[in-house]
Amino acid sequence: GDSVTQMEGPVTLSEEAFLTINCTYTATGYPSLFWYVQYPGEGLQLLLKATKADDKGSNKGFEATYRKETTSFHLEKGSVQVSDSAVYFCALSEGGTSYGKLTFGQGTILTVHP
Amino acid sequence: EAGVVQSPRYKIIEKKQPVAFWCNPISGHNTLYWYLQNLGQGPELLIRYENEEAVDDSQLPKDRFSAERLKGVDSTLKIQPAELGDSAVYLCASSLTSGGTDTQYFGPGTRLTVL
Repeated sequence: GDSVTQMEGPVTLSEEAFLTINCTYTATGYPSLFWYVQYPGEGLQLLLKATKADDKGSNKGFEATYRKETTSFHLEKGSVQVSDSAVYFCALSEGGTSYGKLTFGQGTILTVHP
Repeated sequence: EAGVVQSPRYKIIEKKQPVAFWCNPISGHNTLYWYLQNLGQGPELLIRYENEEAVDDSQLPKDRFSAERLKGVDSTLKIQPAELGDSAVYLCASSLTSGGTDTQYFGPGTRLTVL
């Protein structure tokens, strides 16, 4: 079945550091890929998405590129801020009978220090 | 625009007791989802509704869990009886349609503790 694997966390960075959170996936077809973020005490929010190979999703300075050849969707940000501290989830959605179902990775906790 | 509303936010019960969670999706959203999130894990789909029809309930433990979505708007998820292993966060989400690329909007969740 479908699965998503995220890099082991937690990740701790200083403000203005470069961020990479790795995400790889296994799917039988051509899924859509998503990054969701969960700030403390809040619900999951969509951060960005990509629906086909080589698409780049971007939002709030975060970027991720859909790499079909490596089945990856790594999240990057050039300069993190303290306000980026949250839990980040990589997810996929595939068609067929699973249409609309999101399969999530385990999440990566990011802490940014001033 | 109001987001997905869930209540209660927190619930503590003893094992073998029943419990119910309520969700009000974003107005106009036809598709509603219930997810289970265990500590340190990503959410897992329990059930998906399109309007009032449950179109994917393959992951719902039907011996103790039930759900309904009357009139295709609000939804209730029930556990009876609750077990210790049911302690988790129960998330509700909604989307305009069930399209694979449609954004799912999540509520804040209900944190259940079973003693």
